[in-house]
Amino acid sequence: QKEVEQNSGPLSVPEGAIASLNCTYSDRGSQSFFWYRQYSGKSPELIMFIYSNGDKEDGRFTAQLNKASQYVSLLIRDSQPSDSATYLCAVSGGSNYKLTFGKGTLLTVNP
Amino acid sequence: GAVVSQHPSWVICKSGTSVKIECRSLDFQATTMFWYRQFPKQSLMLMATSNEGSKATYEQGVEKDKFLINHASLTLSTLTVTSAHPEDSSFYICSASRDSSYEQYFGPGTRLTVT
Repeated sequence: QKEVEQNSGPLSVPEGAIASLNCTYSDRGSQSFFWYRQYSGKSPELIMFIYSNGDKEDGRFTAQLNKASQYVSLLIRDSQPSDSATYLCAVSGGSNYKLTFGKGTLLTVNP
Repeated sequence: GAVVSQHPSWVICKSGTSVKIECRSLDFQATTMFWYRQFPKQSLMLMATSNEGSKATYEQGVEKDKFLINHASLTLSTLTVTSAHPEDSSFYICSASRDSSYEQYFGPGTRLTVT
């Protein structure tokens, strides 16, 4: 059974701070890693994906992957109140392209 | 690009009736579509994977006779909840992916309430 674990939070940070979201996964064969943002009552939207070990930056967002530790993280710099949402970590591997989601971390950015 | 729509966005039905939800990829051909269900404060749970022109593959514990999936074309998949019961009330979300891609593009979701 593939598992993706996230701290459910809530994680509360002040506006302008760095928010750090973490995720671990159980399947060592996992190949692709995604971070989705989900606002209440809405469907997920893709923020970033990462395939290789190391860091990947896109604007205020940085994804970090460490396959040896089976760990993936998302850093949000200069956090804004509009970043307040649930962040879902998702993992995929093999040939069927199925995603396994974590339960999500609720982030609150306080003005 | 990569826009996925769902219809309806919300539906209320009576117990015992059937409800059909449509999922369309508007600007790309989706070789694979996925159907998820999300209960309040829970994560997305994959129900089934469908490929155009073939039978859907259901996840363990999902009743294929209750949740009928038809992937009739490269841009349309439908989920029919048959003989709906109140416990089927949930947020149903579809996603679509292109050929040989791990990226899934999500539809806006359909909120089903069974009374």
